Amino acid sequence: DVKVTQSSRYLVKRTGEKVFLECVQDMDHENMFWYRQDPGLGLRLIYFSYDVKMKEKGDIPEGYSVSREKKERFSLILESASTNQTSMYLCASTGVHNQPQHFGDGTRLSIL
Amino acid sequence: SQQGEEDPQALSIQEGENATMNCSYKTSINNLQWYRQNSGRGLVHLILIRSNEREKHSGRLRVTLDTSKKSSSLLITASRAADTASYFCATDGTGANNLFFGTGTRLTVIP
Repeated sequence: DVKVTQSSRYLVKRTGEKVFLECVQDMDHENMFWYRQDPGLGLRLIYFSYDVKMKEKGDIPEGYSVSREKKERFSLILESASTNQTSMYLCASTGVHNQPQHFGDGTRLSIL
Repeated sequence: SQQGEEDPQALSIQEGENATMNCSYKTSINNLQWYRQNSGRGLVHLILIRSNEREKHSGRLRVTLDTSKKSSSLLITASRAADTASYFCATDGTGANNLFFGTGTRLTVIP
């Protein structure tokens, strides 16, 4: 079974901090994704990566950056956290881009 | 936005009844997928239906796809309390490298 692991289930940070969310998958998948999920808005894609060191912007990349130095790890970075980035963040991976995605359990991030 | 939309937003039924959720989308697709999300957890893939398929079954799940209407439905038969979750459809959009998720239907099955 594919396992996607997000480093924290819950995280509390302060406005202006630099925040790192980590995601690791164990199935050698090329494609990895970061979403945020807010009530009434569903899942919105922040960034995705289809290979090591490659990244593409999703629908809402502003205020975020990503890093993919190794195939199994995809990091989401909040450069200077703001309260409107309080949300549930979900990481996913897949071998082929339009095939089923495998999700981590999410990180509930609160920015105070 | 290419995001799909589920209907209804929320659905409450008695255990043993059938639950039907609908999804509408905006662009041409290669396939459509349904996912389930238990409260506070990640999404779990349920079923994928290709654009040239009209119906697909998996256990108590039945999915239909009407590409002319750009819509899909998910039927859960003989529902159980454990089916309580949010259900999302996702489409790929031809030429897209990622999926577009709907806003979800929150299903509550009352024991």
